[in-house]
Amino acid sequence: EIVLTQSPGTLSLSPGERATLSCRASQSVSSSYLAWYQQKPGQAPRLLIYDTSSRATGIPDRFSGSGSGTDFTLTISRLEPEDFAVYYCQQYDHSPETFGQGTKVEVK
Amino acid sequence: QVQLVQSGAEVKKPGSSVKVSCKASGGTFSNSAISWVRQAPGQGLEWMGVIIPIFGTANYPQKFQARVTITADKSTSTAYMDLSSLRSEDTAVYYCARVRSGYEFNAFDIWGQGTMVTVSS
Repeated sequence: EIVLTQSPGTLSLSPGERATLSCRASQSVSSSYLAWYQQKPGQAPRLLIYDTSSRATGIPDRFSGSGSGTDFTLTISRLEPEDFAVYYCQQYDHSPETFGQGTKVEVK
Repeated sequence: QVQLVQSGAEVKKPGSSVKVSCKASGGTFSNSAISWVRQAPGQGLEWMGVIIPIFGTANYPQKFQARVTITADKSTSTAYMDLSSLRSEDTAVYYCARVRSGYEFNAFDIWGQGTMVTVSS
């Protein structure tokens, strides 16, 4: 099974700053089958990015995804108050589908 | 816009089973696949399996193969996840989620609200 390792575990930033979240896979995720989700307390996850870099419906363009092979990145260009949450990456290239352990973006 | 509406919270004894439902509201499953994902308290997300309702075939990761059964009723656009031989470690929020673009494996674009299952003696 592919293990996804997210870093850092916690990112402390201020509104307006840029956030860069990393997701590293234990083996290559071919066809860029990687997604990113946002989860707020008490809520279901929300799809932000699929296929490495495609934004889901209704997702603002301050969210962007990039990467290939084993290294992937989610970038939030300017943090808005509503962006403070936990973010998960997911690979759906190999079964079983797996998720990273999450990165918490908190207010500094 | 399709929404996924799940059944309510459950409290179960160790060794028993639980069945959680997931109904498409405002539409149907159409050709979509439905996956199940769980999240233990304070923990991350764990994929439990997927079903394509129009075919009725399910796919499970090895970890859950012996204890999970995912089914779907096309006539009511409802999917079900049955987990047997419950133990305390199964205490979690269980989510159903639609797999985007009609594929069996893809990102999850619509999620249910989650169902809390508590296993306690």
